[in-house]
Amino acid sequence: EAQVTQNPRYLITVTGKKLTVTCSQNMNHEYMSWYRQDPGLGLRQIYYSMNVEVTDKGDVPEGYKVSRKEKRNFPLILESPSPNQTSLYFCASSPLDVGEQYFGPGTRLTVT
Amino acid sequence: GQNIDQPTEMTATEGAIVQINCTYQTSGFNGLFWYQQHAGEAPTFLSYNVLDGLEEKGRFSSFLSRSKGYSYLLLKELQMKDSASYLCAVRGYNTDKLIFGTGTRLQVFP
Repeated sequence: EAQVTQNPRYLITVTGKKLTVTCSQNMNHEYMSWYRQDPGLGLRQIYYSMNVEVTDKGDVPEGYKVSRKEKRNFPLILESPSPNQTSLYFCASSPLDVGEQYFGPGTRLTVT
Repeated sequence: GQNIDQPTEMTATEGAIVQINCTYQTSGFNGLFWYQQHAGEAPTFLSYNVLDGLEEKGRFSSFLSRSKGYSYLLLKELQMKDSASYLCAVRGYNTDKLIFGTGTRLQVFP
């Protein structure tokens, strides 16, 4: 089944404890992206990648890192999480046209 | 700057037609997209417009006017399962970013 998977789905952590949210797609898509979704603010792009070893900042990259060592994986790294990073995170992938994106199920992160 | 406006909430009756508007101001334009998002779920792609006019896909249609910076999503023969948020997103010219509006929450009543 063609899909985007994220892990974990839910995470509660404390300020400053490094964490990684994994994202994997099995559709051989070139484009992958991370978003956060907050009430009243909508979906905001954190980072995106057009292909292996190519990443670019979105609109809200501060406090996040990404890597794209393999085509199928695009992990999101929070080196020192803070409470303002409490949010719902979505990973997405897309073939050549970056508009039609396929979203993962989401990761709900709480930082206390 | 870039700005996308959508109504926050709308209500409609089962079987009716509803139109959800989206206006945008962006630095360049290279396509407008509509996504549906049910509560607690991921967004799913509905439609894509890059040229002016109407794109029809079953019960859903999307319209674009680039000169007016305006789009709408038309939902016909509404069903209860259409209760969801509808997200408008715009891609600027020569960029790989998508900018999303804050979404319109549609409630369909029997």
